[in-house]
Amino acid sequence: GAGVSQSPSNKVTEKGKDVELRCDPISGHTALYWYRQSLGQGLEFLIYFQGNSAPDKSGLPSDRFSAERTGGSVSTLTIQRTQQEDSAVYLCASSRRLAGGPYEQYFGPGTRLTVT
Amino acid sequence: QKEVEQDPGPLSVPEGAIVSLNCTYSNSAFQYFMWYRQYSRKGPELLMYTYSSGNKEDGRFTAQVDKSSKYISLFIRDSQPSDSATYLCAMGDDKIIFGKGTRLHILP
Repeated sequence: GAGVSQSPSNKVTEKGKDVELRCDPISGHTALYWYRQSLGQGLEFLIYFQGNSAPDKSGLPSDRFSAERTGGSVSTLTIQRTQQEDSAVYLCASSRRLAGGPYEQYFGPGTRLTVT
Repeated sequence: QKEVEQDPGPLSVPEGAIVSLNCTYSNSAFQYFMWYRQYSRKGPELLMYTYSSGNKEDGRFTAQVDKSSKYISLFIRDSQPSDSATYLCAMGDDKIIFGKGTRLHILP
């Protein structure tokens, strides 16, 4: 079946511009995560949506970052007034509970963001 | 103190060697412990998981959890060049906390 999809796959933007990154999770998965990953910083948690609960925004690095999830499905991560340090791969994951086990996360291919 | 600590590497070992990857954590409430593997330019994928303390073996891979020390390990026996990837530990239940990941290179 279809996995997690993200768009665009690559985005080059000028410093100061706003960008929107999109994530389409696997149908039926209630949890959705955003991460960013760079060589120097590893995988960094950004935000977590679980069902209808208020999102856990504790990983957002500044108020320039925001995310929403519409109808419990598609999510958009918005970065306003982009800075060069925002350059990274942004990964989205949705998750389901394994039978008798933990939640397994399914990751999308990521959006590679370059701020020039 | 961060919730999950993992050495970023890189770790380079010769083919056939035993590899040991480790994480420490601070939250004693964690019950599920997972290892994800990420190949270059791909998203991470679940490799294996354990529940509470103890060992779990899957082929050449063994996951070990020591809750008393808050320390988890992944051992890879007879390492192969195809094992070259970033390995991320993860733990928790509905909300999963990841380590930063360790880059592993197996040298042919």
